[in-house]
Amino acid sequence: DGGITQSPKYLFRKEGQNVTLSCEQNLNHDAMYWYRQDPGQGLRLIYYSQIVNDFQKGDIAEGYSVSREKKESFPLTVTSAQKNPTAFYLCASRGDRKSGYTFGSGTRLTVV
Amino acid sequence: GENVEQHPSTLSVQEGDSAVIKCTYSDSASNYFPWYKQELGKRPQLIIDIRSNVGEKKDQRIAVTLNKTAKHFSLHITETQPEDSAVYFCAAKATDGQNFVFGPGTRLSVLP
Repeated sequence: DGGITQSPKYLFRKEGQNVTLSCEQNLNHDAMYWYRQDPGQGLRLIYYSQIVNDFQKGDIAEGYSVSREKKESFPLTVTSAQKNPTAFYLCASRGDRKSGYTFGSGTRLTVV
Repeated sequence: GENVEQHPSTLSVQEGDSAVIKCTYSDSASNYFPWYKQELGKRPQLIIDIRSNVGEKKDQRIAVTLNKTAKHFSLHITETQPEDSAVYFCAAKATDGQNFVFGPGTRLSVLP
C-alpha cells in the first residue's frame, strides 16, 4: 500500500458510538494528516501532526480526536459528537516541506 | 488563509483530445503546487507538481503551467485516453506552510 496503510477499509458505526480509524506508515515521515472527503467535494483537513506528541486542529476538527504517540501511527477517533460522520477518510504523510503527500487507501465510514 | 478554486467541476472530452483544468490561489507566498489524480474509490495519487521558481513542467502527456503574477496554475493533458478518467485535485500550500489546501476537484470523463 505504498508505505501508508489505513484500516479498516469499510467501517459501520451505530449512532452514539465512538470509532477509531487506523493509519500506519513505514516511510519515516514526520508529518501526518487526516482529511475527510464527501461525495463530489474536495478534501477537508481534520487534524495534522508535524512531530510525535504534537498535533494541530485543521478546518473541521470538531467531533474528532487524534493522538501521535509514535512516529509511525496517527489514529483518528470519530466521536459521537460528530453530527455527520458518514464520509471517506484519507490519511496522508509527508517527508519534508518540499514534497507532496503520500495518501493511504482510505476508510469509508458509514453510520447506520 | 489560503483559498484554492478549481474549474471546471466536470469536463468531458473525446479520446485523443486535450483537457485543461485551471486553479487559482490566494496566498502569494505559496510556492509549491501539486496535482493529484483520484480514481473511483481509490486514494489520490500525485501525478505532477510545480514549484514557484519555474513556469512550466512536463511529464509525457501531462504538463502544468504556473503564472505567479496572476496566481493561477493549470493542468494540461494531451492525447487523452479512457484511463485518464478520474477526479483531479489541485493544491497549494496553506499560509502556515504546514499543510495543503485542496481545490474542490474536477471530474474528467474521456469518452471513447
